[in-house]
Order: sequence, then structure tokens, then C-alpha cells
Amino acid sequence: NAGVTQTPKFQVLKTGQSMTLQCAQDMNHNSMYWYRQDPGMGLRLIYYSASEGTTDKGEVPNGYNVSRLNKREFSLRLESAAPSQTSVYFCASSGGQGKELFFGSGTQLSVL
Amino acid sequence: GEDVEQSLFLSVREGDSSVINCTYTDSSSTYLYWYKQEPGAGLQLLTYIFSNMDMKQDQRLTVLLNKKDKHLSLRIADTQTGDSAIYFCAEKSGSGGYNKLIFGAGTRLAVHP
Repeated sequence: NAGVTQTPKFQVLKTGQSMTLQCAQDMNHNSMYWYRQDPGMGLRLIYYSASEGTTDKGEVPNGYNVSRLNKREFSLRLESAAPSQTSVYFCASSGGQGKELFFGSGTQLSVL
Repeated sequence: GEDVEQSLFLSVREGDSSVINCTYTDSSSTYLYWYKQEPGAGLQLLTYIFSNMDMKQDQRLTVLLNKKDKHLSLRIADTQTGDSAIYFCAEKSGSGGYNKLIFGAGTRLAVHP
């Protein structure tokens, strides 16, 4: 069972470069999320999509954009990467209120 | 705003009990969660508790909830080396049908022989 699949697993960017992190889930979940994980700060929500066709800002949306391409896919774009965006990024999905969040295995991003 | 706090480190001897504590601020939280993260992996749900419960037990895991003090704890009985991981406390934010969670910084549990 694939669950939540994120690509790439690792990426190194130079300051100012752009890239898109891809996420897909095969569990027919309505809601999808992007989190970033930094040492000592836990996971912080960047953007989420409560259902297909909607997206909303989380705690730390600056410097990011998202697209809910369809029910399965939710991408995160960095238009002009900055060193402060060096982090581990996790995509997650859930079936609804109170339902478990299923996480991908993460993307380790370094911005030099 | 909402905030979830937990201590960053806990070290226990194999076979002892581990207790990981968490405090949260949103008194309207309906669900509270414990997630486990092993090295190089994403988070996996360990257990959760509804806000109308005081306690939930699941094999070696016991979750205690004190709503008055907004305090949540996770007790792992007979802690094993395989329990070494980072444990995250999380509360559900908002009243929508989706499941936006606010996470604590995570408690790194180290189990030594």
C-alpha cells in the first residue's frame, strides 16, 4: 500500500532557485496538508486543503504556494528559495474530522 | 493563539515506565493525539483521546487527560529499545470537518539498557 508519496526525498537548491514538491495519496482522502519540521520546533503547518478545490494558509505560509491539482495530488512550490526554508517537509492526508493524519516519508531540503 | 508544549528529552532505562507530558492551550480541542517518529521517517499515529475522556489504555500505552489543567500525558509501560523515537503531542485546531493539527516540538525518548 503506497499511502502518501512525496517526491523528491532530498533536494539541494541555491538561493533564489524555484522548485515544486510533489505529494500524492491513494486513500481517497478529502484533506491534505503540508508541514515543515525544524529542530526544536516540531511540525508547523504551511498550507492545507480541506477538500478538493480549496486551499488555506497555515501558520507559516510566507514564501510558499500550493496547488490542489485533484483529489489525489497537493503540491508545494517555493518560488524563490531562501536559506530559512532549509527544512524537512512532510505532506499528510486525512479522511476527515478526528481522522488520523497519514504522513509521507518527508523531503529534506537544503537551500545554500 | 494555539500552542502545544512538551519537554524535549527523556531518558529511561529499559523495562521502566516512560511518562511524556504535554500542555495545550485550546480549551475547545475535541481530539488530542500522540504521534511517533522514528529516524528518517514520517510521523505515525500512536494513539488519540477524545476530550470527553479522562483516560485511554491501549496495551502498553496509557493516555491521561486533565482538561482543567489542559495537560496530556503518555505513559509507556515496560519501555523497550524499540520505543526510542520522537513523540509528538498534537491538538486539533478549529471546528471544521478537516483535521488541522497543531503539534508540539516533540520529546526525544532515549531508552538505555
